[in-house]
Amino acid sequence: GQNIDQPTEMTATEGAIVQINCTYQTSGFNGLFWYQQHAGEAPTFLSYNVLDGLEEKGRFSSFLSRSKGYSYLLLKELQMKDSASYLCALRLAPMDSSYKLIFGSGTRLLVRP
Amino acid sequence: EAQVTQNPRYLITVTGKKLTVTCSQNMNHEYMSWYRQDPGLGLRQIYYSMNVEVTDKGDVPEGYKVSRKEKRNFPLILESPSPNQTSLYFCASAPSGGYGNTIYFGEGSWLTVV
Repeated sequence: GQNIDQPTEMTATEGAIVQINCTYQTSGFNGLFWYQQHAGEAPTFLSYNVLDGLEEKGRFSSFLSRSKGYSYLLLKELQMKDSASYLCALRLAPMDSSYKLIFGSGTRLLVRP
Repeated sequence: EAQVTQNPRYLITVTGKKLTVTCSQNMNHEYMSWYRQDPGLGLRQIYYSMNVEVTDKGDVPEGYKVSRKEKRNFPLILESPSPNQTSLYFCASAPSGGYGNTIYFGEGSWLTVV
């Protein structure tokens, strides 16, 4: 089966940098997503990593290491509006190429002034 | 504007009273899916569809039905709702194939079964 672990909650200060980790166990996957979700709202896409390494998009970067079963989301220059839950999700690699996603339970980030 | 639209957004219903949550997308996506989100459990897939008349079970299909008669619509049917189906539901769509495609989520439907 598959398993995804993320810390439940994190707290950081406005202007700082925070790293949200995601570890997983799976037999195979196409790629790893990171989504941001504000309370009661739909998840919004942040990044998708297929290959190992760091992908940078403005203040947000995402890293993947397939050999270590590990990913992280790095948020720089934190703003109050970054207070949200961050969801790690694996796109599995089923034989029929269907779009099967497995989500972690999410990390709730609180940004303090 | 690219959209996934769910209705109703909020619903309180009683145990056993059949209900349907509609989902419609305007992006001509092949793939559509339903998720439920519960505290501490993250998003769990209920059913998904790879195209018209092609549906399959996700991780938590019990108590739900779906249909895909048209490409744009993917309704979720609760034939006999029970309190354990109280949850936040999201519909999603995506183009099939490739990689790096993102999934577009609807705004969510809060369902309470009493």
